Amino acid sequence: GQQVMQIPQYQHVQEGEDFTTYCNSSTTLSNIQWYKQRPGGHPVFLIQLVKSGEVKKQKRLTFQFGEAKKNSSLHITATQTTDVGTYFCAGPGQTGANNLFFGTGTRLTVIP
Amino acid sequence: EAGVVQSPRYKIIEKKQPVAFWCNPISGHNTLYWYRQNLGQGPELLIRYENEEAVDDSQLPKDRFSAERLKGVDSTLKIQPAELGDSAVYLCASSFGGRNTIYFGEGSWLTVV
Repeated sequence: GQQVMQIPQYQHVQEGEDFTTYCNSSTTLSNIQWYKQRPGGHPVFLIQLVKSGEVKKQKRLTFQFGEAKKNSSLHITATQTTDVGTYFCAGPGQTGANNLFFGTGTRLTVIP
Repeated sequence: EAGVVQSPRYKIIEKKQPVAFWCNPISGHNTLYWYRQNLGQGPELLIRYENEEAVDDSQLPKDRFSAERLKGVDSTLKIQPAELGDSAVYLCASSFGGRNTIYFGEGSWLTVV
């Protein structure tokens, strides 16, 4: 079945350090989305990537979609305590492009 | 603009009891989703509605779970009877057109004891 794995599962960083999470799909994705979920909160949409090799930036966050459209990464430069949370990638499910299939998530802790 | 509204936020029930969750999507969003999120995992789709039609319920455990979306707006998700393994956060989400950004509600936290 479809699998979307993320590594690492957990990451502790000192405030100001960089952070990267990687997302790998067992199947080619038409697009990939990234969500952030604060502790005790709900997933919040960050961005969608569609094109092969696409790179998008949001302030300190850089998102990349792999050339083969099977992997993606999220890089945060100079982390802040507000970056704490779990970051999920999500792609269209096998049951339909309208269904999001979420990855396993990477839980980021930022130490002040 | 109001977001996706869910209730109750928290529910503790004994096993074998029924429970129901309610969701009001963002106004104008015709696609509604119910996801289940277990602790430390990503959300898993239970059912998706396009207007009032359930177009994907392949992951919904139909022996004990049911859902409805009357009039294509609000939706309810019911579990009867609940089992210990049903303890999770039940997230409702909505989108316009099904291919756009999905907006999640705060979730309904269920604990079955």
